[in-house]
Amino acid sequence: KNQVEQSPQSLIILEGKNCTLQCNYTVSPFSNLRWYKQDTGRGPVSLTIMTFSENTKSNGRYTATLDADTKQSSLHITASQLSDSASYICVVSLISNFGNEKLTFGTGTRLTIIP
Amino acid sequence: EAQVTQNPRYLITVTGKKLTVTCSQNMNHEYMSWYRQDPGLGLRQIYYSMNVEVTDKGDVPEGYKVSRKEKRNFPLILESPSPNQTSLYFCASSAGGSLSGYTFGSGTRLTVV
Repeated sequence: KNQVEQSPQSLIILEGKNCTLQCNYTVSPFSNLRWYKQDTGRGPVSLTIMTFSENTKSNGRYTATLDADTKQSSLHITASQLSDSASYICVVSLISNFGNEKLTFGTGTRLTIIP
Repeated sequence: EAQVTQNPRYLITVTGKKLTVTCSQNMNHEYMSWYRQDPGLGLRQIYYSMNVEVTDKGDVPEGYKVSRKEKRNFPLILESPSPNQTSLYFCASSAGGSLSGYTFGSGTRLTVV
């Protein structure tokens, strides 16, 4: 069964500190892996997209890594800001037998930044 | 501004009363999809559409209908809502292709009593 598991479920850190969120997946065949940021009550917003051959991708203070052999990804946030408080969702994509892309969503990590 | 617009943002209705949640995108995207988000679960796909007049079931289609008569619009129809359809709903669109980004709407919080 295709699954995406994220850890921790929730995390609280002080403003200015770094943190790393984890994602393990069993989706196959793998196409790409995405990280999204979701503010409370809003739709998810894309942070990074990585294919099988990419090990790392950065977007400002966000850096995602991918190890396709172990089927693990991480999202590292540097110098956290209060606006980083949100849920971070790992999404793994496969291409179905019908040629359409199918996304499998993790349940997210709820990150809270405190002053 | 490129966006996906959902309406309404909030809706409270009674069991069995038909309702429609609208979704419109201004990016000329071919692919559109509906998801529901429930506590403790990842987003789950309800229906998707790869182009006009082309729709298909996602993972949790029971109790929902969709239509795609125009490229920009993809309404979600609940013919007879039940309390287990209380959820947060998101519409998304994409240009298609495996590395295309998905743009999500702001969500519709539906409560069925």
